[in-house]
Amino acid sequence: SQELEQSPQSLIVQEGKNLTINCTSSKTLYGLYWYKQKYGEGLIFLMMLQKGGEEKSHEKITAKLDEKKQQSSLHITASQPSHAGIYLCGADTGNYQLIWGAGTKLIIKP
Amino acid sequence: KAGVTQTPRYLIKTRGQQVTLSCSPISGHRSVSWYQQTPGQGLQFLFEYFSETQRNKGNFPGRFSGRQFSNSRSEMNVSTLELGDSALYLCASSEGNPTFATDTQYFGPGTRLTVL
Repeated sequence: SQELEQSPQSLIVQEGKNLTINCTSSKTLYGLYWYKQKYGEGLIFLMMLQKGGEEKSHEKITAKLDEKKQQSSLHITASQPSHAGIYLCGADTGNYQLIWGAGTKLIIKP
Repeated sequence: KAGVTQTPRYLIKTRGQQVTLSCSPISGHRSVSWYQQTPGQGLQFLFEYFSETQRNKGNFPGRFSGRQFSNSRSEMNVSTLELGDSALYLCASSEGNPTFATDTQYFGPGTRLTVL
């Protein structure tokens, strides 16, 4: 099984609706990164969470880290076509390299 | 500041050939990491270079190698290409802090390698 599980694998959301993507680690989290990727392109850094209970927001995207559950959630409010893409989480589990989730493909229906 | 640049963006090679990919990090960044991304395996870590030294290495065969120059630019080389090496190769740069929890990686646009 994956060390870093992302759910759901894909998501189709009506424009204007809210959505949540989850990332759960089987190992202790020392830091958690969220990135967005357009198909076939590089990853764009969104946010980094370090401490348990930490919450960060950027425009309509909010990410939280639950240290006890070893889980992070990414929430998008009032989704727009520009939010479409693949969202990836990367985790620092203290092993000198990040481990990555498989990604969540987000489609926004107009 | 200019972002991470990678060249070439697209490459087509045949089995058995070798290939060299190049990455220029963000100015001031001393760490460069390389990743392979495929639909089946996702994003996988190849290696990381810091101050011209390989600091970390993923679980890839010796056909995959890299180096970093004194200006922090990095190259990765794949020898004896196999069909399974077809992938998007991504380079990421960071300041180089020893713990990832304080060292955000910024990615380049990637090089799409197709092996025929």
